[in-house]
Amino acid sequence: GQQLNQSPQSMFIQEGEDVSMNCTSSSIFNTWLWYKQDPGEGPVLLIALYKAGELTSNGRLTAQFGITRKDSFLNISASIPSDVGIYFCAGPPPGAAGNKLTFGGGTRVLVKP
Amino acid sequence: GAVVSQHPSWVICKSGTSVKIECRSLDFQATTMFWYRQFPKQSLMLMATSNEGSKATYEQGVEKDKFLINHASLTLSTLTVTSAHPEDSSFYICSAKTGTVYGYTFGSGTRLTVV
Repeated sequence: GQQLNQSPQSMFIQEGEDVSMNCTSSSIFNTWLWYKQDPGEGPVLLIALYKAGELTSNGRLTAQFGITRKDSFLNISASIPSDVGIYFCAGPPPGAAGNKLTFGGGTRVLVKP
Repeated sequence: GAVVSQHPSWVICKSGTSVKIECRSLDFQATTMFWYRQFPKQSLMLMATSNEGSKATYEQGVEKDKFLINHASLTLSTLTVTSAHPEDSSFYICSAKTGTVYGYTFGSGTRLTVV
């Protein structure tokens, strides 16, 4: 079953705002991956984290690998309309064979009306 | 680099017929590919791991006779939904390992509608 919990499930953004979302697990993960999925498309990798405490940026995106290895955060600074989409955290679950990924439930980012 | 092409992007079929979805790695060889299913407003659920030259490994609850996977070459995996029914309507996405550490590239997905 799903082992990654994302929050919030959805959020509204206004252009220029900073947004944050997180992903938690009851188990230790050794790798955290953040993906974005646009409607009708497959997920695209945004940031990959491999070490506890690691802080990595990709343009306006910043993600951190939690020190307990049970959580990760993704921040988007100065949001723009094209940031709308679904953001997923993912990682290989503990003991998983074949390097398969488990996905969180996703955070849906919408534009504030 | 590391492009995965999925075809078709959408398909409508009649109940009882079979549909084949292709996943190709265009500029790299993929010994392992993964097939996911995604329902509206839900996350990706792994269906099976496709290994080149061997049988696919299915996740618990996924009918192997219903969802046939063939990975006959290092650049192509196919998913065939056999005897499709309306409840099989979903968004199917493949991904391939690129060979780098946790490098996974996803296809653009296939929207299957069974009528």
